[in-house]
Amino acid sequence: GAVVSQHPSRVICKSGTSVKIECRSLDFQATTMFWYRQFPKQSLMLMATSNEGSKATYEQGVEKDKFLINHASLTLSTLTVTSAHPEDSSFYICSARDPSGSWGYNEQFFGPGTRLTVL
Amino acid sequence: RKEVEQDPGPFNVPEGATVAFNCTYSNSASQSFFWYRQDCRKEPKLLMSVYSSGNEDGRFTAQLNRASQYISLLIRDSKLSDSATYLCVVNHSGGYSTLTFGKGTMLLVSP
Repeated sequence: GAVVSQHPSRVICKSGTSVKIECRSLDFQATTMFWYRQFPKQSLMLMATSNEGSKATYEQGVEKDKFLINHASLTLSTLTVTSAHPEDSSFYICSARDPSGSWGYNEQFFGPGTRLTVL
Repeated sequence: RKEVEQDPGPFNVPEGATVAFNCTYSNSASQSFFWYRQDCRKEPKLLMSVYSSGNEDGRFTAQLNRASQYISLLIRDSKLSDSATYLCVVNHSGGYSTLTFGKGTMLLVSP
């Protein structure tokens, strides 16, 4: 299957700093990428849908000014957690959709995730 | 009511046991259904899609009942390596094809 990478895999930062997470599709062009967040023992929750060249669509309850998403190319989307606080500590996972895949329009491949710890 | 509900777990079973996971979804317009597997501190990985006619992949059998909005996953002859959290995932209609994940059911297979 297609490969999606994320960087960094783990971040520990002080409260108030901003953290940027990169999501890359390595062997396909992803017109759409998704950002999820997963708290311990909870399900993955979709935060936003990112389309190349346009503004991201945020899910209800997700602050767009706090979680900045940029999808400047067909292989890269970034999520910036601005002024991070301890309650933002979570596992952030991106996925990318490969319209040409065997699932067709719905196929999504997940990155390995980024574990953010805000002290 | 949550969009996708699963057995709370965890399920503790011995090697070789058969184990069944249940899932219900609330949106009758849901179009696609999947089972994912997630290992501890890792990303979810697709285990199998679920088709209306039911489908089997080796030791794994998935079934869908649209009328009851119910999905199941059966694992036969469980292995130690099957230990993971199993996520029921539903795809709703719409341009962005967003996935909705259940909370997952943890499976622990012991020797």
